[in-house]
Amino acid sequence: GAVVSQHPSRVICKSGTSVKIECRSLDFQATTMFWYRQFPKKSLMLMATSNEGSKATYEQGVEKDKFLINHASLTLSTLTVTSAHPEDSSFYICSAPVRRPNKDGYTFGSGTRLTVV
Amino acid sequence: GQNIDQPTEMTATEGAIVQINCTYQTSGFNGLFWYQQHAGEAPTFLSYNVLDGLEEKGRFSSFLSRSKGYSYLLLKELQMKDSASYLCVSYPGGKLIFGQGTELSVKP
Repeated sequence: GAVVSQHPSRVICKSGTSVKIECRSLDFQATTMFWYRQFPKKSLMLMATSNEGSKATYEQGVEKDKFLINHASLTLSTLTVTSAHPEDSSFYICSAPVRRPNKDGYTFGSGTRLTVV
Repeated sequence: GQNIDQPTEMTATEGAIVQINCTYQTSGFNGLFWYQQHAGEAPTFLSYNVLDGLEEKGRFSSFLSRSKGYSYLLLKELQMKDSASYLCVSYPGGKLIFGQGTELSVKP
């Protein structure tokens, strides 16, 4: 149980275009979703926290207008990278707390490899 | 603020035991996680410690000392498939804050 489905797994886009990444909780309600990015051989960096029905909370240094996060329902959170540039190329991954984080941890999506050309 | 330190790389031999150390400084301590991540994949949950002491789960054990701001992950009977990045993760205020990860290479 507690599966988060993330799509797409890989995407290549041109500079200046926008890309939407979706994370769906399949068998539980995710009131909170965390969004991370990861550079090669680096750890996950928290970008923002989305809460269903309210505005996302962004970490310091993350551009709100560039990384648009929407959490319109209890089972869907989206991250849109707007006006993408090559430096936005990265591995993006979402995560949601399961019912008992101390027993089961947080569940992660499978990640999205974004390449901007 | 949050600060997590762990070695960048470690190498061990198949069948051996390896200990991966982590020191942390965090406000609002609410426990420590260990995650395993294979390249290009999502992290998978290994353990969670909130009280001092050792938690054992099969081949993997995790230890915590809150007074020392110290944790370790112990992997026994190493297998080739254990080659991965191991992430020490603090848990302040409901958010996961990841350390840089320790890249473990298991050699035959």
